[in-house]
Amino acid sequence: DQQVKQNSPSLRVQEGRISILNCDYTNSMFDYFLWYKKYPAEGPTFLISISSIKDKNEDGRFTVFLNKSAKHLSLHIVPSQPGDSAVYFCAGNGIGNQFYFGTGTSLTVIP
Amino acid sequence: EAGVAQSPRYKIIEKRQSVAFWCNPISGHATLYWYQQILGQGPKLLIQFQNNGVVDDSQLPKDRFSAERLKGVDSTLKIQPAKLEDSAVYLCASSLLAGSSYNEQFFGPGTRLTVL
Repeated sequence: DQQVKQNSPSLRVQEGRISILNCDYTNSMFDYFLWYKKYPAEGPTFLISISSIKDKNEDGRFTVFLNKSAKHLSLHIVPSQPGDSAVYFCAGNGIGNQFYFGTGTSLTVIP
Repeated sequence: EAGVAQSPRYKIIEKRQSVAFWCNPISGHATLYWYQQILGQGPKLLIQFQNNGVVDDSQLPKDRFSAERLKGVDSTLKIQPAKLEDSAVYLCASSLLAGSSYNEQFFGPGTRLTVL
């Protein structure tokens, strides 16, 4: 069963504009949510996280919003830069620090 | 600080052959994870170790997959015999400790396996 879903496989955004990546989950027991970024031929790298008791976490150009009632989170990147072009994975953190990943969204930032 | 090391980076084998992957986690990280990432999907956990003990291997196809972490440091993942559907990137990750709270997982570059 897919506990974390990313329904948009790809997203194209103009440089300087906002990128919004969305994620839905079904497991209400997740205590943290994370976003990982992946470049081709590299492993995923951690980007930003949010505790389930918060609704927003900001780190520079990256902000994650959590709506627990809707079981939805989103990652906002403002302003988007060409170097942000990568695949972004959303994940929920469950018991034993096990991560459940979505299928990823490929972001392309057009110069 | 050195990251998670994996080898080989790429492997091509024929079906029914055997293959082994190696992972060296970040020094001091007690927990090690092996993930399988099939093209177009997110990483899926295969097995989780805490030191040299298995925490969870519920999604490991045990008829053909095996993994060990004998000294609680590096780990090997083996597939014997391989099937076409095993073609994927195998990612190793480590974290300081897997308890009741969240710990960031650090990923290696992965091994891309192609089964012909």
